Amino acid sequence: GAGVSQTPSNKVTEKGKYVELRCDPISGHTALYWYRQSLGQGPEFLIYFQGTGAADDSGLPNDRFFAVRPEGSVSTLKIQRTERGDSAVYLCASSAGREGVEQFFGPGTRLTVL
Amino acid sequence: SQKIEQNSEALNIQEGKTATLTCNYTNYSPAYLQWYRQDPGRGPVFLLLIRENEKEKRKERLKVTFDTTLKQSLFHITASQPADSATYLCALVKVSNYQLIWGAGTKLIIKP
Repeated sequence: GAGVSQTPSNKVTEKGKYVELRCDPISGHTALYWYRQSLGQGPEFLIYFQGTGAADDSGLPNDRFFAVRPEGSVSTLKIQRTERGDSAVYLCASSAGREGVEQFFGPGTRLTVL
Repeated sequence: SQKIEQNSEALNIQEGKTATLTCNYTNYSPAYLQWYRQDPGRGPVFLLLIRENEKEKRKERLKVTFDTTLKQSLFHITASQPADSATYLCALVKVSNYQLIWGAGTKLIIKP
């Protein structure tokens, strides 16, 4: 596709439920990043993939969060036992290189945990 | 701890004037610094990147400076237009793992 796409655009769930957020990066981009952003804040790094492997998952807040990228393209961020504090916009970005430069962002998924 | 500071107050500029936004950082030596624009409900959009050995970078009406002694980057928009109104984010890139550390952004409002 022309840009990074994310689905769903909005997700409302109840506390304790499981959610999956999907990211389709720009074709050919080897690097993929997940961030979350709260109102009035900058993006907060969660995890970085280079190809199929998670090169850096140091930003995942706890073991309820997990992400995969099995074929080096589409990625899924999975959140188990959601908590109200998980409510945020989850952003996905991709880039062509390894150095974190010029990241192309999707529109984000707004997650609301009731 | 590593910290990036951007002016949290909105910056109001008259159309046609130059807007200058500031990004300060502490306890850090980045490989390079990036500036992004973010509109409400959208993801950030990459604008410019400047490396640690570069003093200044330009792109059309945009100019970025990088002073590693002061630990500061300035982002300028000349001949500002109402369409430039947005939140502008700076992000430092860690040398060790190329992770981006983001500022909270400064909201810029260009008044006609």
